[in-house]
Amino acid sequence: GQSLEQPSEVTAVEGAIVQINCTYQTSGFYGLSWYQQHDGGAPTFLSYNALDGLEETGRFSSFLSRSDSYGYLLLQELQMKDSASYFCARPSGGSQGNLIFGKGTKLSVKP
Amino acid sequence: GAVVSQHPSRVICKSGTSVKIECRSLDFQATTMFWYRQFPKQSLMLMATSNEGSKATYEQGVEKDKFLINHASLTLSTLTVTSAHPEDSSFYICSASPGRGLNSPLHFGNGTRLTVT
Repeated sequence: GQSLEQPSEVTAVEGAIVQINCTYQTSGFYGLSWYQQHDGGAPTFLSYNALDGLEETGRFSSFLSRSDSYGYLLLQELQMKDSASYFCARPSGGSQGNLIFGKGTKLSVKP
Repeated sequence: GAVVSQHPSRVICKSGTSVKIECRSLDFQATTMFWYRQFPKQSLMLMATSNEGSKATYEQGVEKDKFLINHASLTLSTLTVTSAHPEDSSFYICSASPGRGLNSPLHFGNGTRLTVT
């Protein structure tokens, strides 16, 4: 299969660091993406990892370990506006737009 | 950056009627667009891939006669939900990308919340 698993909810306080994990089944793996979605809004692309290692973009970083079939999204210096759902996703069959999404992790940032 | 516009943002219709949703790429051409559906508090599921100038490709379990897709130009795809029923109530989101590589991000429209009464 090509499913992805991620925690359903995470809570953290402003200024803290939070890590959202994602594990996936290895069949036909072409890389791992992360998207942010605020309630009622459109998903917004955050990052894509095709190779092992850490990709950093400002306060957000994403990591991939293909040998462990595992990745994570790291959010630093949390702000209230980071409260949203975060989805890991993978291309299916090598198709850029045919993404299989995880069920999403709802992040709540508290003051 | 790449912008995808979707219209309408919200629609309420009666059971048995049809609803058309438009998806436009505003600043790039998209030979392919993707239609997703999201039920409340659930993940996004790909429904179909819209191909400019040819037939759409539907995912397993998605009825092509119920969800009509037309990709008439390089910047416009439409999804028509025909004979809508309450179980079709959902959040429909289109997406497209200006690039073709796997590292080229998908840009999503703001979605259409369909409520069928």
